[in-house]
Amino acid sequence: RKEVEQDPGPFNVPEGATVAFNCTYSNSASQSFFWYRQDCRKEPKLLMSVYSSGNEDGRFTAQLNRASQYISLLIRDSKLSDSATYLCVVKEDSNYQLIWGAGTKLIIKP
Amino acid sequence: EAQVTQNPRYLITVTGKKLTVTCSQNMNHEYMSWYRQDPGLGLRQIYYSMNVEVTDKGDVPEGYKVSRKEKRNFPLILESPSPNQTSLYFCASRGLADGSEQFFGPGTRLTVL
Repeated sequence: RKEVEQDPGPFNVPEGATVAFNCTYSNSASQSFFWYRQDCRKEPKLLMSVYSSGNEDGRFTAQLNRASQYISLLIRDSKLSDSATYLCVVKEDSNYQLIWGAGTKLIIKP
Repeated sequence: EAQVTQNPRYLITVTGKKLTVTCSQNMNHEYMSWYRQDPGLGLRQIYYSMNVEVTDKGDVPEGYKVSRKEKRNFPLILESPSPNQTSLYFCASRGLADGSEQFFGPGTRLTVL
C-alpha cells in the first residue's frame, strides 16, 4: 500500500524557537508534494507546495529529498499562531489522487 | 469568493435514518472528493469524482453513496447510517492541473446514535 508517514507529535516548542518535521513517502514515482495546515476542528488549508529545489515562504522552508523519499518543513521564529496540525500530502500523478499523512501536531508555548 | 460549501455543518441522527450532506463548489473544478477524519487516523477518502457522471471509490466507501449530476455539486448519501459513521466529514475540490491546490469545505460533524 502506498503510504505517507508522519510523526504524530505533539511537538511542544517554545515561542521563537525553530522546529522541523519530516514526512516519508513510499512511492518513488510521486511527483507533487504539499504541506497543509489544519487548525483544530477546521478544514485543512494549503501551506505550501514543495518543489524539487526546495522553497521558502517567510519563516517556512520546505525541502524534498527524493533519494531518501522524504519531505521536510522547517519553521523559524515560531509564533503562538503556528500551533496547528501539519499534514503532508503526496500526489499520485498516475491517477490524480492525493495521499495524506495523518499529521504532526505542533504546540507553540509562550 | 472561491469556496466549497457543505451543509449541514452539524447533524445528530439515529441509526438507519437516511441522510444527505450537500457539497457545492464555485471554482469550476473537475475533481471533487469526500473524506472522513477520525482521531489518530487522518483524512481517509470515501469517494471521488473526476468529472460529471464519473465517480469512483476511495479507501473507505462502504456505507456511502455519491452522485455527480452537475459539475458544482457532489452530495454524500448515507442510506442507513450506523454509529461507526460518526465522524467529521470534509468535501473538497480542485483542478486537474499539476500542483493544483485542493480546497476544502468547512466540515460536517455527524453523530449517529
